[in-house]
Amino acid sequence: DGGITQSPKYLFRKEGQNVTLSCEQNLNHDAMYWYRQDPGQGLRLIYYSQIVNDFQKGDIAEGYSVSREKKESFPLTVTSAQKNPTAFYLCASSVSGGVAEQFFGPGTRLTVL
Amino acid sequence: SQQGEEDPQALSIQEGENATMNCSYKTSINNLQWYRQNSGRGLVHLILIRSNEREKHSGRLRVTLDTSKKSSSLLITASRAADTASYFCATDSSNSGYALNFGKGTSLLVTP
Repeated sequence: DGGITQSPKYLFRKEGQNVTLSCEQNLNHDAMYWYRQDPGQGLRLIYYSQIVNDFQKGDIAEGYSVSREKKESFPLTVTSAQKNPTAFYLCASSVSGGVAEQFFGPGTRLTVL
Repeated sequence: SQQGEEDPQALSIQEGENATMNCSYKTSINNLQWYRQNSGRGLVHLILIRSNEREKHSGRLRVTLDTSKKSSSLLITASRAADTASYFCATDSSNSGYALNFGKGTSLLVTP
């Protein structure tokens, strides 16, 4: 059953802690993306990766880090440097960069206590 | 950066009626896509229209694109309660790995 999964669904973090959000896909897609969504807002791009071992900053990369060691996986770390991390995080993948639809995971809701 | 802007922000209709949402954008695009998001869920791709296309249909969905006006519309015909969701337009950006630029969305409520 092909798809893109994110875990956990809900995550609570204390201020000052780093947390890592998981994103895995078995669609054999080259490109993967992380977006952040705040209430009543659209999605904003955090990081993207077009190929293994390569990734680029998006519009709001400050306070976040990623890795792309495997094609299937694109974890996002929210560091303590991110000033307002409470948000809904969405991971997506696409066949490649270019004219392609993106497939989204179910999202992780992060709350900082 | 958010390029698309949907209009209206919210729309409430009854089952059976048609729903029309509009999207405007600022810079040249290769394609424009529409996505749907149920509350608290990920986004689902609905339809993609390329910059050289003017109209596209998929089931009860009809999308138009006017590149001279930098605008697109999504029409959902014969709406159902299950169509209740937020709808986003997204434009591609060739200088960011074709990551998508999303608008803030239109929240559609379809009442029985």
